[in-house]
Amino acid sequence: QSPLTQPASVSGSPGQSITISCTGTSTDVGGFDYVSWYQQHPGKTPKLLIFDVSKRPSGVSVRFSGSKSGRTASLTISGLQPEDEADYYCSSYTSMTTLIFGGGTKLTVL
Amino acid sequence: QAQLVQSGTEVKTPGSSVKVSCKASGDTFTSYSISWVRQAPGQGLVWMGGIIPIFGSTSYAQRFQGRLTITADGSTNTAYMVLRSLTFEDTGIYYCARVGVPKEVANFFDSWGQGTLVTVSS
Repeated sequence: QSPLTQPASVSGSPGQSITISCTGTSTDVGGFDYVSWYQQHPGKTPKLLIFDVSKRPSGVSVRFSGSKSGRTASLTISGLQPEDEADYYCSSYTSMTTLIFGGGTKLTVL
Repeated sequence: QAQLVQSGTEVKTPGSSVKVSCKASGDTFTSYSISWVRQAPGQGLVWMGGIIPIFGSTSYAQRFQGRLTITADGSTNTAYMVLRSLTFEDTGIYYCARVGVPKEVANFFDSWGQGTLVTVSS
């Protein structure tokens, strides 16, 4: 199964908003509301930002939000801050009772 | 959340096997599942498979089927990942992670181990 499709890179200036897309198929993103997003800084373990498409764990900034339309999920980061520069990964439950990740998106804060 | 502590760095030769452990704190093993995620150098995250310890049930990604075995020991709250027939492409960091929904083998991860570096080298 191929990874979910994410843009390789996105960039934005401090204070701006950016959106990262995550496109799958009807057997993963399009079929279930079990999309999650992770942030990973270099050399660090991934951190959960969003689960169940749009829910935020306690302690995660409200600047991070998630949504889904059809087979594409999106992560929006508003009010970009320098510390948001990191790699971002989406993941989805699949119809085969497995999990699949996106290829990852490198966010650069200009 | 839970604390997950993994075993240390491994160096293996092509064709051999590696076994990585992941010890969980708290009530993880009574309700939650553990997954294994691999990250090759400079690459993205890849879900390998998972286990629900209380049921002993497992799920594996198709690309690792036949080469990967995930087990769990409830008496020590430890999960294990064994990957066989190693190639150079198996070099990477292997993470264990707890699924944040009870009794589901694949969903979001709310806790991660610190990662175990496995290097396959001749």
